[in-house]
Amino acid sequence: DQQVKQNSPSLSVQEGRISILNCDYTNSMFDYFLWYKKYPAEGPTFLISISSIKDKNEDGRFTVFLNKSAKHLSLHIVPSQPGDSAVYFCAAEGAGNQFYFGTGTSLTVIP
Amino acid sequence: KAGVTQTPRYLIKTRGQQVTLSCSPISGHRSVSWYQQTPGQGLQFLFEYFSETQRNKGNFPGRFSGRQFSNSRSEMNVSTLELGDSALYLCASSLGEPLLANYGYTFGSGTRLTVV
Repeated sequence: DQQVKQNSPSLSVQEGRISILNCDYTNSMFDYFLWYKKYPAEGPTFLISISSIKDKNEDGRFTVFLNKSAKHLSLHIVPSQPGDSAVYFCAAEGAGNQFYFGTGTSLTVIP
Repeated sequence: KAGVTQTPRYLIKTRGQQVTLSCSPISGHRSVSWYQQTPGQGLQFLFEYFSETQRNKGNFPGRFSGRQFSNSRSEMNVSTLELGDSALYLCASSLGEPLLANYGYTFGSGTRLTVV
């Protein structure tokens, strides 16, 4: 059973505009959420995280928003750049340091 | 459909021993990747196999090795275990990876390895 879901397999955005990647989860006990970025032929690299006690965390062009009541988090990239084109995974940490990953969203930023 | 299956779920080994972890991908998936997840280092890429061939490799010592069988199942082996090898080992499977296409990269639940 997929406890973390990314329902959009792909997203295309014009350079300079905002990219919004969404992630839903089912387990209200998850207390830490992460976003990873993956280029082809490479492993995922950590991008940004957020604790369940916060609703927003910002790091440069990247902001993650957490809506606990809706069990939803989103990653905003502003402004989007062609180098942001990659697959983005959201992940949630549950009890016992168990991690659950979404299936990824492929972002294409069009120059 | 069945997801990615990793066995065993938990494992305790002593220093110097070796360990073999198994990953069965989603039926029809030909690519299997392995990752090490630790609290301090996050998710680190070990290697990727596609059609029984290692296609990519991360920066891990030669003690870490793997292989993929004709049915796409993959095994990862760690020899001469060290305390620092204690981690959650995740595998993920996908159909393949041409360019940026997202082929539903699905992670398993992981094997929690503790080295004492």
